[in-house]
Amino acid sequence: DIQMTQSPSALSASVGDRVTISCRASQSITSYLNWYQQKPGKAPKLLIYAASNLQSGVPSRFSGSGSGTDFTLTISSLQPEDFATYYCQQTYSTPQTFGQGTKLEIK
Amino acid sequence: QVQLQESGPGLVKPSQTLSLTCSVSGGSISSGVYYWSWIRQHPEKGLEWLGFIYYSGSTHYNPSLKSRGTISIDTPKNQFSLRLTSVTAADTAVYYCARGRVVVAATGQGYGMDVWGQGTTVTVSS
Repeated sequence: DIQMTQSPSALSASVGDRVTISCRASQSITSYLNWYQQKPGKAPKLLIYAASNLQSGVPSRFSGSGSGTDFTLTISSLQPEDFATYYCQQTYSTPQTFGQGTKLEIK
Repeated sequence: QVQLQESGPGLVKPSQTLSLTCSVSGGSISSGVYYWSWIRQHPEKGLEWLGFIYYSGSTHYNPSLKSRGTISIDTPKNQFSLRLTSVTAADTAVYYCARGRVVVAATGQGYGMDVWGQGTTVTVSS
């Protein structure tokens, strides 16, 4: 199985901050990397697919980059509604695997 | 737009079989563009992909299920289902169904899951 490792596991930030979350795969997944946002009691929401493609309806302050084994999710200017848990996921091979999550909290 | 809705029992006894159904509305499950997945989330934990099925009936499973899981599709009813046998307390979780876009069907490569059900909580307890 491909292991996905996110860093950091938790992050405190303020509204307006620029935030970066990293995700590393245990082997190359080319660009088959997705990012999700999950709020308590809700299903995950797809933000970015194929490493850098913004899902329809997602604000442009979210962006993704990377290829191979190293990927990044960036939120350019944090808004109050962005405080949530973020997961990366590889869909390069089955079993699909998720990172352990990054909890983004208000400072 | 497309919506997914999980249904099934909220409580299952240990050693019994868990059966969940995902009903798809607003679009056809027979589209070859998508795969149809089950994912679960243990209490206060991360996400675990269980498997997916194509409209053709072809499936991919997570080996962690150790052959206990079966995903099936009912195209006339526009539904797909998860069956998990010999459940234990470790199967207690929120179960989600979701839709993802196929890229290479033969290898199971695809894009992320863009439509999710709201999730259903399953507790395994006597």
